[in-house]
Amino acid sequence: DAKTTQPPSMDCAEGRAANLPCNHSTISGNEYVYWYRQIHSQGPQYIIHGLKNNETNEMASLIITEDRKSSTLILPHATLRDTAVYYCIVRVALGFQKLVFGTGTRLLVSP
Amino acid sequence: NAGVTQTPKFQVLKTGQSMTLQCAQDMNHNSMYWYRQDPGMGLRLIYYSASEGTTDKGEVPNGYNVSRLNKREFSLRLESAAPSQTSVYFCASRASGSSYNEQFFGPGTRLTVL
Repeated sequence: DAKTTQPPSMDCAEGRAANLPCNHSTISGNEYVYWYRQIHSQGPQYIIHGLKNNETNEMASLIITEDRKSSTLILPHATLRDTAVYYCIVRVALGFQKLVFGTGTRLLVSP
Repeated sequence: NAGVTQTPKFQVLKTGQSMTLQCAQDMNHNSMYWYRQDPGMGLRLIYYSASEGTTDKGEVPNGYNVSRLNKREFSLRLESAAPSQTSVYFCASRASGSSYNEQFFGPGTRLTVL
């Protein structure tokens, strides 16, 4: 499995965009990038995933570089409820999957 | 739909006691997982079940056993609890045949072993 590197913590002002980076320089061609988040004391929650094209859903946008060695999760208008630990995970899509969680990025959204 | 439910929410055990953590999902998912999360750490996989009737070890299986009772339920048993097993335990499930890897997590069981 490709390893990922994320900054341990980030701050963001409420209402501004939060841009969370992830490096995955050893990613293979058939591996997807997944993002989950964990709000304090709760179970992780799926956010978004992508292979090579940029993706957007109601929660966030995912920008993957052309060489696929890094990606950025964008929360366009961060709210206080977005304060959480964000995990970037790289895995193949098909077949049985075991997610491997690192320590993630702790995002603090402040008023 | 309740999603993934876990019982109990909190538990305190003495060293050497045994207990079973229960997990159930109502989404007709084939795959189920047990993770543990220690303070300040990411989640680590204990055991998983790819489908009803099968179970396999994850990263940290020592000291645990599991039972996939049926498609809905996947239990985790601590036969002789140790303080090192103090942690938050999360159960998750996933639909097989899914084109992506969205796992749905329960609210967790907070276990303290004295």
